[in-house]
Amino acid sequence: NAGVTQTPKFRVLKTGQSMTLLCAQDMNHEYMYWYRQDPGMGLRLIHYSVGEGTTAKGEVPDGYNVSRLKKQNFLLGLESAAPSQTSVYFCASSLRVPTGNEQFFGPGTRLTVL
Amino acid sequence: GEDVEQSLFLSVREGDSSVINCTYTDSSSTYLYWYKQEPGAGLQLLTYIFSNMDMKQDQRLTVLLNKKDKHLSLRIADTQTGDSAIYFCAGNNAGNMLTFGGGTRLMVKP
Repeated sequence: NAGVTQTPKFRVLKTGQSMTLLCAQDMNHEYMYWYRQDPGMGLRLIHYSVGEGTTAKGEVPDGYNVSRLKKQNFLLGLESAAPSQTSVYFCASSLRVPTGNEQFFGPGTRLTVL
Repeated sequence: GEDVEQSLFLSVREGDSSVINCTYTDSSSTYLYWYKQEPGAGLQLLTYIFSNMDMKQDQRLTVLLNKKDKHLSLRIADTQTGDSAIYFCAGNNAGNMLTFGGGTRLMVKP
């Protein structure tokens, strides 16, 4: 099992450019998440999905869009990148459980917007 | 929403015990978690505690939970250089999403 994988690992964008980050998991997990990690601020939830074809907003959704067309994939899109979106992005997945929520994380994508 | 607070930095000597502290605001959190992040990697679940427990021990790790004060701690016994990492506490909120603290960077000196 590869677990949770993310592509790309690194990316540099110019302000106004667009890009898509891909997350894939092979654990048949229902829930998937996108977080951003900024120094001293922990992880903040951008968007999440509770199943194929569903998405929902997290704590900091502005400037991002997501899609979950297949259960194993969760895409994060930046339509018009801004320097404030320079961050490390983590994808995670978890089983659909009634209580508790162990999340499995990908290795991260480091994005720099100039 | 929930706030989770941690101190930013902790330095210990190899072989000593480390204690990383966390405070949270949402008393309805049913699970509280400790995650470890090594350089350049994602977060990995270390241990968790159910809210009706006040202590959980797992090899070198001891988690203490004080629900009255909303205080969680992680004790690492016999700290090794391989324990150097950032440690995050997290609690689940009413929507069963996780709220993370800002992370505590643990540095272990030989």
